[in-house]
Amino acid sequence: GQQLNQSPQSMFIQEGEDVSMNCTSSSIFNTWLWYKQEPGEGPVLLIALYKAGELTSNGRLTAQFGITRKDSFLNISASIPSDVGIYFCAGHGGAGHLIFGKGTKLSVKP
Amino acid sequence: DTAVSQTPKYLVTQMGNDKSIKCEQNLGHDTMYWYKQDSKKFLKIMFSYNNKELIINETVPNRFSPKSPDKAHLNLHINSLELGDSAVYFCASSSGLEETQYFGPGTRLLVL
Repeated sequence: GQQLNQSPQSMFIQEGEDVSMNCTSSSIFNTWLWYKQEPGEGPVLLIALYKAGELTSNGRLTAQFGITRKDSFLNISASIPSDVGIYFCAGHGGAGHLIFGKGTKLSVKP
Repeated sequence: DTAVSQTPKYLVTQMGNDKSIKCEQNLGHDTMYWYKQDSKKFLKIMFSYNNKELIINETVPNRFSPKSPDKAHLNLHINSLELGDSAVYFCASSSGLEETQYFGPGTRLLVL
């Protein structure tokens, strides 16, 4: 079945640093979504991408939908302690449900 | 104000019991989902309902039975609970099958 490979698995960074994470797939996706999950909570949508090549920003977050439709990256600039959490990429599977990457756990040291 | 709500938030029960988890969304969405998140945080679709009709049943044991009394509710009933059912279960909803999904806060199930 369709799978998403997300990397890195975890990151430990200093406050103020920029962060980059990405997802790749062996098959094409029509949408790419980036979610953040904080402890004890459900995933919260950060950015949704609908067109190949699309570059979208949401505050300090920037995400791009790869031209080949098989990859996406998420950048976080000038990280702050509240950026801590698990970041998931996701794409719509054939029947509309989401297929998730395995997540990138972000830790920010003040 | 909560868009997607789930009850209970925590559920601890004995092996062999039957339990239900409830989900409600007030977003006016037509499509609702159940996902399971394992101990390694991997999220996987279980069921998808569109306008109260089952769309997806992803190789889930038939001990799990979703019920959608109306478009705003999708409940999950689990029979004969097993240790391996311990996980966090998330409900989600969207306005259509290919639209953005919004997640509930999750139900943490622990089977002893």
